[in-house]
Amino acid sequence: DTGVSQDPRHKITKRGQNVTFRCDPISEHNRLYWYRQTLGQGPEFLTYFQNEAQLEKSRLLSDRFSAERPKGSFSTLEIQRTEQGDSAMYLCASSPPMGAASYNEQFFGPGTRLTVL
Amino acid sequence: AQKVTQAQTEISVVEKEDVTLDCVYETRDTTYYLFWYKQPPSGELVFLIRRNSFDEQNEISGRYSWNFQKSTSSFNFTITASQVVDSAVYFCALLNNAGNMLTFGGGTRLMVKP
Repeated sequence: DTGVSQDPRHKITKRGQNVTFRCDPISEHNRLYWYRQTLGQGPEFLTYFQNEAQLEKSRLLSDRFSAERPKGSFSTLEIQRTEQGDSAMYLCASSPPMGAASYNEQFFGPGTRLTVL
Repeated sequence: AQKVTQAQTEISVVEKEDVTLDCVYETRDTTYYLFWYKQPPSGELVFLIRRNSFDEQNEISGRYSWNFQKSTSSFNFTITASQVVDSAVYFCALLNNAGNMLTFGGGTRLMVKP
């Protein structure tokens, strides 16, 4: 049973460039989450998908951020016109559907570390 | 709004000492879940325990134990006979009633010295 995977693991970009990250959840997990973790802090919630529907968005998700989950499987997180303050670890997590034993557990991927120069 | 506070930002102990990591939370939900995660230097979040708000029984798993006290909104984590491999950042987290958002504390960095 493979876990949550994220690609790339590291990304270095120049300020003003656009970046896109991918998350592949555990198969059959219909719920998917994105979090951001800056250095020395705990992860902060960004957004939540149930199947392909984006049901929750944090105020942290500015207009430059967009997340999609077009077919209810993998998800992408795009940041447009990156700023130095966007430098962080971006974590993806997934959860199984209601009725599963671990319904309330979020399984985290290894994260994508973004550095904006 | 939910909030999780881990007042200890950094703890240093010598191997074999016992150590307790504190966690205090705030929520208006009557049903919620509490978690502890470990984040080693590799960066991946490792699940340690889940506790629902209706179950105040303390839990022990090997050298790990957890003390959940609803009256004081605390969910503390104790490592007995610490080992160097326990060195990591530990996060306490609160899942809301809707089950769609985890709120994390700021984390406690534990350093276990040989």
